[in-house]
Amino acid sequence: DAGVIQSPRHEVTEMGQEVTLRCKPISGHDYLFWYRQTMMRGLELLIYFNNNVPIDDSGMPEDRFSAKMPNASFSTLKIQPSEPRDSAVYFCASSSGQGSGYTFGSGTRLTVV
Amino acid sequence: DQQVKQNSPSLSVQEGRISILNCDYTNSMFDYFLWYKKYPAEGPTFLISISSIKDKNEDGRFTVFLNKSAKHLSLHIVPSQPGDSAVYFCAASAYYGGATNKLIFGTGTLLAIQP
Repeated sequence: DAGVIQSPRHEVTEMGQEVTLRCKPISGHDYLFWYRQTMMRGLELLIYFNNNVPIDDSGMPEDRFSAKMPNASFSTLKIQPSEPRDSAVYFCASSSGQGSGYTFGSGTRLTVV
Repeated sequence: DQQVKQNSPSLSVQEGRISILNCDYTNSMFDYFLWYKKYPAEGPTFLISISSIKDKNEDGRFTVFLNKSAKHLSLHIVPSQPGDSAVYFCAASAYYGGATNKLIFGTGTLLAIQP
């Protein structure tokens, strides 16, 4: 298995532009998570899905952030419009359930200028 | 309202010595704890875990200790090796009868092993 695949690895965009981050989870994993890593807050949970259904989006910072999972093999995290304070590393992770660890992707480093 | 706290942003340890990384939590509903290790430009990888019914779990050079009354856990690495240099994240979850599987992470501790 290729693991959790995220794209792009790096994204530089101008303030106000729309940004879309993509994730392909491990086949057979029922849970998908989006995290954001910053120095101040560490790994912050934004939203997670179970069987393609959003379960908890309480970590999504603002209405500018949205996430979808149209099928079991694909998820997107969209920021519109982007702001400099959104600059961070965004990780996607998948899991097969309680008691099992997460498998993380390599992350997308987002820079908003 | 950080529920999982790692108060030491960094730690430097000499090769061969013991590394001790600490983590505190506030939510008494947490019943499962994990440590993840992260190298630069990579995603975190699972290292070791412990259930709240135990107070110790060992895997090779890595041991995790849990003190529920103090809401504290620690990761011991003995002996420390240069390849252990990484950021270590503590994480916790609460199992509400299968209703959730989300992990809450701490801010991480950067461990540097000195030769």
